[in-house]
Amino acid sequence: DSGVTQTPKHLITATGQRVTLRCSPRSGDLSVYWYQQSLDQGLQFLIQYYNGEERAKGNILERFSAQQFPDLHSELNLSSLELGDSALYFCASSASGDTQPQHFGDGTRLSIL
Amino acid sequence: ILNVEQSPQSLHVQEGDSTNFTCSFPSSNFYALHWYRWETAKSPEALFVMTLNGDEKKKGRISATLNTKEGYSYLYIKGSQPEDSATYLCVLHGGATNKLIFGTGTLLAVQP
Repeated sequence: DSGVTQTPKHLITATGQRVTLRCSPRSGDLSVYWYQQSLDQGLQFLIQYYNGEERAKGNILERFSAQQFPDLHSELNLSSLELGDSALYFCASSASGDTQPQHFGDGTRLSIL
Repeated sequence: ILNVEQSPQSLHVQEGDSTNFTCSFPSSNFYALHWYRWETAKSPEALFVMTLNGDEKKKGRISATLNTKEGYSYLYIKGSQPEDSATYLCVLHGGATNKLIFGTGTLLAVQP
């Protein structure tokens, strides 16, 4: 158990809809990272937050947004969903900066019908 | 464009064999290199974070080295066991961009 909790575990929705994925980091971790793993692809870094502020941005679409709240949990919002957004979305947390190991949640599997 | 390459893409070894994989990355713009172990149907598990040229880290039978000048890191597994079967990922943290670039991974299968 990594200590990182992601909800929901599975999500099925339709094209054009909007969903919110939630991540609770390990106790004491200040950094939260979001990743996308599409079918037959590796992990793609989406975005990082550190103590409530956006720290780094990867290949995140404009239809996607994220935030980190004062209690350090984070949400990833995906809107105007397309079939290609079907993927496994991982959240990871680390103690502070980028030289700390990241601890991954079990992921949220999003299926777009 | 920062590119992280791992070789080999896959590796099949017998139980007890020692093995090693390579992660190659652009030597400019280096900030840190992470190694992760990713078992099928699970989430990635952190192995090492390496920051300094010449770093050597060890965790049980697994060790890693780092050469930031020439842009590579090696991961070694001594006496492979079936439970070592997994994909081993290296991840470059590029300092200036703050982005994380994942390698394609090396899939290790250890036959009993």
